[in-house]
Amino acid sequence: EDQVTQSPEALRLQEGESSSLNCSYTVSGLRGLFWYRQDPGKGPEFLFTLYSAGEEKEKERLKATLTKKESFLHITAPKPEDSATYLCAVQATPEKGGSEKLVFGKGTKLTVNP
Amino acid sequence: ETGVTQTPRHLVMGMTNKKSLKCEQHLGHNAMYWYKQSAKKPLELMFVYNFKEQTENNSVPSRFSPECPNSSHLFLHLHTLQPEDSALYLCASSQEGGAGQPQHFGDGTRLSIL
Repeated sequence: EDQVTQSPEALRLQEGESSSLNCSYTVSGLRGLFWYRQDPGKGPEFLFTLYSAGEEKEKERLKATLTKKESFLHITAPKPEDSATYLCAVQATPEKGGSEKLVFGKGTKLTVNP
Repeated sequence: ETGVTQTPRHLVMGMTNKKSLKCEQHLGHNAMYWYKQSAKKPLELMFVYNFKEQTENNSVPSRFSPECPNSSHLFLHLHTLQPEDSALYLCASSQEGGAGQPQHFGDGTRLSIL
């Protein structure tokens, strides 16, 4: 069974204090690993897709990396507006006739204090 | 309008009521999804539609009835719901057929069952 575990559940940082969020996964045949950001009262907002081990993607203060067992979302010099819940999801090779499904972790709630 | 739009944003209903949730996507995608998001739980996939055909029913109780009249519209018909069905219901869409295509989400309908 495909599984995604995110840690920590919650993280508090001071503005400018860099850190990393972890997403560990077990999946048969990874087709993609996705990072989303979710603000209160909103739907998840797509950030990155990673396809293979060693791949990295960057966007402003965020950098996502991928190994065969886990992904990290590195946040460099965060600002209060980076406060949100960050969700990780994996997409496995579907069974014959099956759908492209995402399996999500529970998320990491990030709070950045000014 | 752009992206994925869900209406209503909030819904309060009694257990004997019948109501419908609506989702519309303006991204030209051909796959649409319903998810349930409850506190402290990962997003749970409910239904998947590809080119208007249902390809996934994730053991969802029959009190939830989806409808997909075309690739741009998705409905979730609700009847005789239970208090544990109170949650945020999210709609998403993606371009089917390619590996690792991200899903794009609406802002959800917050459902409360009295």
